Amino acid sequence: DAGVIQSPRHEVTEMGQEVTLRCKPISGHNSLFWYRQTMMRGLELLIYFNNNVPIDDSGMPEDRFSAKMPNASFSTLKIQPSEPRDSAVYFCASSLGLRNSEQFFGPGTRLTVL
Amino acid sequence: TQLLEQSPQFLSIQEGENLTVYCNSSSVFSSLQWYRQEPGEGPVLLVTVVTGGEVKKLKRLTFQFGDARKDSSLHITAAQPGDTGLYLCAGANTGNQFYFGTGTSLTVIP
Repeated sequence: DAGVIQSPRHEVTEMGQEVTLRCKPISGHNSLFWYRQTMMRGLELLIYFNNNVPIDDSGMPEDRFSAKMPNASFSTLKIQPSEPRDSAVYFCASSLGLRNSEQFFGPGTRLTVL
Repeated sequence: TQLLEQSPQFLSIQEGENLTVYCNSSSVFSSLQWYRQEPGEGPVLLVTVVTGGEVKKLKRLTFQFGDARKDSSLHITAAQPGDTGLYLCAGANTGNQFYFGTGTSLTVIP
């Protein structure tokens, strides 16, 4: 299995631009998670989906952030407009099931907003 | 608000030494996991504990879940340079909410 695939691996953009991060979960997994990691705040859960339905989006910072999962094999995290404080590594993870299940993380997307 | 506080935040030790990392919370969790993350990569699961008082061993690593299911510890015996990384605890509550700890960055010096 290829594991969780994220693209792009690196993104550098200017403040105000729209950023779209993409994730392909492991085939057969029914839960997908988006995280943000920074030195200051550590690893934060932004949102997670179960069977393509958003279950908990309480971690989404503000309306500039949105996430979709149109089907079981694809999800996007969009930031519009982007701000320098959004600079971080964004991880996508997937699991088979929820609470006690192992989450398999992708390699992450390093976002820099200038 | 960080529900899971880890200590110490940073730890640098010599190869062969023993160490313990702590994960504490005022909240009760239905399960707790430990992950290790290496630079440039995502976290990788080490263990899941679900029962209060449970102890699990993974080679030189010993994991314990507190009796009240509010805290956990990770003990490493005879640390090796390959143990270097960021150790993260993660808790799940009965409402299917997930939280990662603040992390402990471990460096093992050869």
